[in-house]
Amino acid sequence: QKEVEQNSGPLSVPEGAIASLNCTYSDRGSQSFFWYRQYSGKSPELIMFIYSNGDKEDGRFTAQLNKASQYVSLLIRDSQPSDSATYLCAVKVASGSARQLTFGSGTQLTVLP
Amino acid sequence: GAVVSQHPSRVICKSGTSVKIECRSLDFQATTMFWYRQFPKQSLMLMATSNEGSKATYEQGVEKDKFLINHASLTLSTLTVTSAHPEDSSFYICSARDRQGGQPQHFGDGTRLSIL
Repeated sequence: QKEVEQNSGPLSVPEGAIASLNCTYSDRGSQSFFWYRQYSGKSPELIMFIYSNGDKEDGRFTAQLNKASQYVSLLIRDSQPSDSATYLCAVKVASGSARQLTFGSGTQLTVLP
Repeated sequence: GAVVSQHPSRVICKSGTSVKIECRSLDFQATTMFWYRQFPKQSLMLMATSNEGSKATYEQGVEKDKFLINHASLTLSTLTVTSAHPEDSSFYICSARDRQGGQPQHFGDGTRLSIL
């Protein structure tokens, strides 16, 4: 079982719709959860991070964390074509570990105009 | 916001050449920097963790003698790919963590390495 799992997609949504991206993780001791956006040929860009159960909103983005279910999601409201990218879920898997972040394989999102 | 500068952005060179990639934190001090490699359509894979003033910690399967890491100051880490071969062609990305802020990590723009 992979430590961080994401559906690879591609996920297509029409412009203006809500895009829902999901991520599960295996280590119950995980403490911090991050969503990065990566455009083709570019390095990842941090969108949001969340530490506590519940929802965290930032503009059109909402991160949702459920530690009991080991599940973290990212919702993008009013999706725009410029949101088309690969979204990487990253988890800090263990306190004090030399490996700081473990990344999922990413979900490719396409927002159709 | 925090900025990480990575240089060069692209390298094309012959097999057997050694290539040095620099990663700088521009407006914060980073005691720890991370080096990742990403092959096409795959996720980021951590290669090593670079600690200022001490030896880097390499992930399993990463050859420390091939991928030399130096972290001589709080703002600079370098990765040298020694005697590069075509299979080393990849997208190399560094990231740094603010010593005061802890999380999250900030990424450089990456270096696309192509070995002919």
